[in-house]
Amino acid sequence: EPEVTQTPSHQVTQMGQEVILRCVPISNHLYFYWYRQILGQKVEFLVSFYNNEISEKSEIFDDQFSVERPDGSNFTLKIRSTKLEDSAMYFCASKRLTNTGELFFGEGSRLTVL
Amino acid sequence: QKEVEQDPGPLSVPEGAIVSLNCTYSNSAFQYFMWYRQYSRKGPELLMYTYSSGNKEDGRFTAQVDKSSKYISLFIRDSQPSDSATYLCAMREGTQGGSEKLVFGKGTKLTVNP
Repeated sequence: EPEVTQTPSHQVTQMGQEVILRCVPISNHLYFYWYRQILGQKVEFLVSFYNNEISEKSEIFDDQFSVERPDGSNFTLKIRSTKLEDSAMYFCASKRLTNTGELFFGEGSRLTVL
Repeated sequence: QKEVEQDPGPLSVPEGAIVSLNCTYSNSAFQYFMWYRQYSRKGPELLMYTYSSGNKEDGRFTAQVDKSSKYISLFIRDSQPSDSATYLCAMREGTQGGSEKLVFGKGTKLTVNP
């Protein structure tokens, strides 16, 4: 069964460093997303991406964050100058069509900022 | 009023019990309704997806949506210890100019005891 894969599974970084989280969405999917979940809190939307551009972003997704689809398979989330409060699970998700709620998530990348 | 409300539990039931999980919401523009299962420190796994109002059944799982009451439910019949997880409701607006983002409940932690 096709799945969304994410790397790394866990990254520890020092405050102020840049991190890149990587995702390989399901191969025939066209819409890509990043969500995050701070420990003990709700899963919350960060950004959606379609046709090589951001289609929607939340107020959390400020200039510190950026997304990119550098080739036909990878989808990345870059966090510049990390802060302690960026510590969370980051989930990549994808779906094939816009008129569906069937969004498939990866296993997540756990980011710990020290 | 929070956009999506879900009783966090915890909920503990004996094996074989019928489990009822539910969420209420305030945004009348929500059209797509999902239930996800999440194991500890893992990604959300899509269980059920419903568009607009009505019921949907898949094996031991039944999802119900009552848009007039802004209330959704997930029923699990003949619950098994392997059903022990956190169950997240999630919803999004329609595709005609609506927001792409999924809005999640906080999750209900379920334990099914052998």
